[in-house]
Amino acid sequence: LAKTTQPISMDSYEGQEVNITCSHNNIATNDYITWYQQFPSQGPRFIIQGYKTKVTNEVASLFIPADRKSSTLSLPRVSLSDTAVYYCLVVPWAGNNRKLIWGLGTSLAVNP
Amino acid sequence: EAGVAQSPRYKIIEKRQSVAFWCNPISGHATLYWYQQILGQGPKLLIQFQNNGVVDDSQLPKDRFSAERLKGVDSTLKIQPAKLEDSAVYLCASSFPEGGRYEQYFGPGTRLTVT
Repeated sequence: LAKTTQPISMDSYEGQEVNITCSHNNIATNDYITWYQQFPSQGPRFIIQGYKTKVTNEVASLFIPADRKSSTLSLPRVSLSDTAVYYCLVVPWAGNNRKLIWGLGTSLAVNP
Repeated sequence: EAGVAQSPRYKIIEKRQSVAFWCNPISGHATLYWYQQILGQGPKLLIQFQNNGVVDDSQLPKDRFSAERLKGVDSTLKIQPAKLEDSAVYLCASSFPEGGRYEQYFGPGTRLTVT
């Protein structure tokens, strides 16, 4: 099973860059790495997805080293509204019957 | 574009009673998921549908939980009889075109309290 490990919690301040690292040692060749954000009383929301190297969108960047055994979500210049739980998910390719495993996530607190 | 709709948003029942949750996915999304999220934990996949068919229900407690997806659109998740440990948020999600690689869109969830 593609299990992930990430810090339980992190603290930051407004305007700082936040990097959350996720470990996924048994990632398979065709697995993708996906990050979701969840606010209290809401369902998770997709942030970014990647396979290797670097992916960037308007919200975040995702860095994946060559061995793909870890990944880092980078949030530039966080604000109070970025306070949420962030989940790292290894997603099997379509047709593979491996389970989707969600960990505990990283609870990010952004302070003023 | 309308999002994933779920109802009810909140439900309080006594143990041994039954309850049903409804989900309407985003139009055209072939894959539908039901998750259970206990406070402080990540979502746990209960069942995954691909159109009308079940792809994965290995973590669904089949002695008390059941789910169906009629005509490959709406879905209903039922619990009968409920136990105290079923207190959780039940999330519905959908994705397109298929499989777990692509983005899942989540509904607001139904918060179930079993007393």
